[in-house]
Amino acid sequence: AQSVTQPDIHITVSEGASLELRCNYSYGATPYLFWYVQSPGQGLQLLLKYFSGDTLVQGIKGFEAEFKRSQSSFNLRKPSVHWSDAAEYFCAVGSDTGGFKTIFGAGTRLFVKA
Amino acid sequence: DVKVTQSSRYLVKRTGEKVFLECVQDMDHENMFWYRQDPGLGLRLIYFSYDVKMKEKGDIPEGYSVSREKKERFSLILESASTNQTSMYLCASSLGTGETQYFGPGTRLLVL
Repeated sequence: AQSVTQPDIHITVSEGASLELRCNYSYGATPYLFWYVQSPGQGLQLLLKYFSGDTLVQGIKGFEAEFKRSQSSFNLRKPSVHWSDAAEYFCAVGSDTGGFKTIFGAGTRLFVKA
Repeated sequence: DVKVTQSSRYLVKRTGEKVFLECVQDMDHENMFWYRQDPGLGLRLIYFSYDVKMKEKGDIPEGYSVSREKKERFSLILESASTNQTSMYLCASSLGTGETQYFGPGTRLLVL
């Protein structure tokens, strides 16, 4: 069955430090992969997505993610975290197969300390 | 700029009341979704709709129903609200069911 796993429930990083949020998926074919961010009390906003082509994708707010087919992973990275990056981050997997519903991970909450 | 709006940001209802949550999108998307979000559980799909008057159950449809009379509007109905339906409800829309979803700001529902 298709699934998305975000192994870290929460992560704390210092402002200015680098960040990596992990995401592993299970899906039989090449999936569409997404990272969304949710600020407190808000809906989800798309950070970046991978559909095909270059496996390193750039997103908004200085984030990037790399699709590694051999590891079934799509980890999110940022070289230098800002206090405003504190939020909850969701990895998701989709597909262009008819009827496939996007599956979301449980989320990773990022805390940023000064 | 794409937009998904939800009728209320906060709602307080009593047990047994009928509750309507409205969602409107202005992107002419075919697909619309209702999720509930609870701490530690991520997003769970309640229902989705891939066309006007069409709907399909998601992972947790019990206690909910939906209505899609117009393409831009997707309503979630709690026929008889219960305390375990206290949650954050998120509406989303997309061009295809597996493609990028655009979310509304959410409705935080408290059932007393």
